[in-house]
Amino acid sequence: ILNVEQSPQSLHVQEGDSTNFTCSFPSSNFYALHWYRWETAKSPEALFVMTLNGDEKKKGRISATLNTKEGYSYLYIKGSQPEDSATYLCAANTGFQKLVFGTGTRLLVSP
Amino acid sequence: DAGVIQSPRHEVTEMGQEVTLRCKPISGHNSLFWYRQTMMRGLELLIYFNNNVPIDDSGMPEDRFSAKMPNASFSTLKIQPSEPRDSAVYFCASSSQGLLNTEAFFGQGTRLTVV
Repeated sequence: ILNVEQSPQSLHVQEGDSTNFTCSFPSSNFYALHWYRWETAKSPEALFVMTLNGDEKKKGRISATLNTKEGYSYLYIKGSQPEDSATYLCAANTGFQKLVFGTGTRLLVSP
Repeated sequence: DAGVIQSPRHEVTEMGQEVTLRCKPISGHNSLFWYRQTMMRGLELLIYFNNNVPIDDSGMPEDRFSAKMPNASFSTLKIQPSEPRDSAVYFCASSSQGLLNTEAFFGQGTRLTVV
């Protein structure tokens, strides 16, 4: 059974703070790592899909890194804003088009 | 494209009744996924289809659950008979060319309440 773990479970920061979350996954049979942003009452939306060890991707103030050898990925948010408040999900693809999701990190950014 | 379309958005039904959830994937996508979201277990993959063929249904909780994809533009998830523990939000997602380099696009979900 593939276990995808995320930490912390929840995070409360002040506007302007930078923050990061961790996603860990089994490094064997790895194909891809996805990050999704999930706002309340909406559906998850993809942020990044990464496949190669050492991959770094950036979208605005949000960036992510990937280490497939040790089985972890970090998501960074620089200068958090209240609109960044959401649950951030990572998901690992270990082949056969099967995404296994972590339980997410719930971020709350206070003005 | 309007994205992945699910219906209904909300469903309230009595225990023992049959429930059918519907999904229209994004045109041109060849993979379709059904997920269930609960507080306890987060997003769980129930079943996925590739080119309308069920590939892995190991996540389907029990025989009361069934899913079909009769064509590339339509899929159903059926629960018969429904039970209160089936109450959850059910998401459908689709992707093109698998999930190795492309993301999954999710529908708005169907919130199911079984009373």
